[in-house]
Amino acid sequence: DADVTQTPRNRITKTGKRIMLECSQTKGHDRMYWYRQDPGLGLRLIYYSFDVKDINKGEISDGYSVSRQAQAKFSLSLESAIPNQTALYFCATSDPASGANVLTFGAGSRLTVL
Amino acid sequence: GQQLNQSPQSMFIQEGEDVSMNCTSSSIFNTWLWYKQDPGEGPVLLIALYKAGELTSNGRLTAQFGITRKDSFLNISASIPSDVGIYFCAGRYSGAGSYQLTFGKGTKLSVIP
Repeated sequence: DADVTQTPRNRITKTGKRIMLECSQTKGHDRMYWYRQDPGLGLRLIYYSFDVKDINKGEISDGYSVSRQAQAKFSLSLESAIPNQTALYFCATSDPASGANVLTFGAGSRLTVL
Repeated sequence: GQQLNQSPQSMFIQEGEDVSMNCTSSSIFNTWLWYKQDPGEGPVLLIALYKAGELTSNGRLTAQFGITRKDSFLNISASIPSDVGIYFCAGRYSGAGSYQLTFGKGTKLSVIP
């Protein structure tokens, strides 16, 4: 099994729908992140969490919310999806005890908003 | 936020050729990381650099942490078809909020057999 598992891997939805992307990890890391990837724009940070119930906004948090109810789980929600949220979303974890912010990524969730 | 300039944006090379790509920043970084993303997958860490001037290899890959601490380079020798993918640099800068990583926009590598 993968260290960082994202579900669903692919989702097509309509404008205005609420969408949740889920992430679970077996690495025992405290820190979890959600990134968005768009062609030619690289990876941009949406939200991050350093511990259960700890939530911090990243570079592009507008239109998104997250929940960290357990160390191993970090979910990303789009309350009312819009077409420009069509993108590839990645969850990642890191272990501050490693001495550097080395991220381990999931395989990604491709979201299409029509 | 911090900006990273990664170049080139894309490369088409013949199998067997060497590849070079680089990232530059406007700020001093204290960590540089290089990731590779295969099609349909998440990025995977290739090399991590922690000291200015550090040169680290991982098989056919070699990366360097620039002396100025504002740049990093990745070289791939004798490319093979499985080197195809998107390569990302990422850095952690030395200022406030320095626990976060900034990513470059990626270099898309295509290898022609």
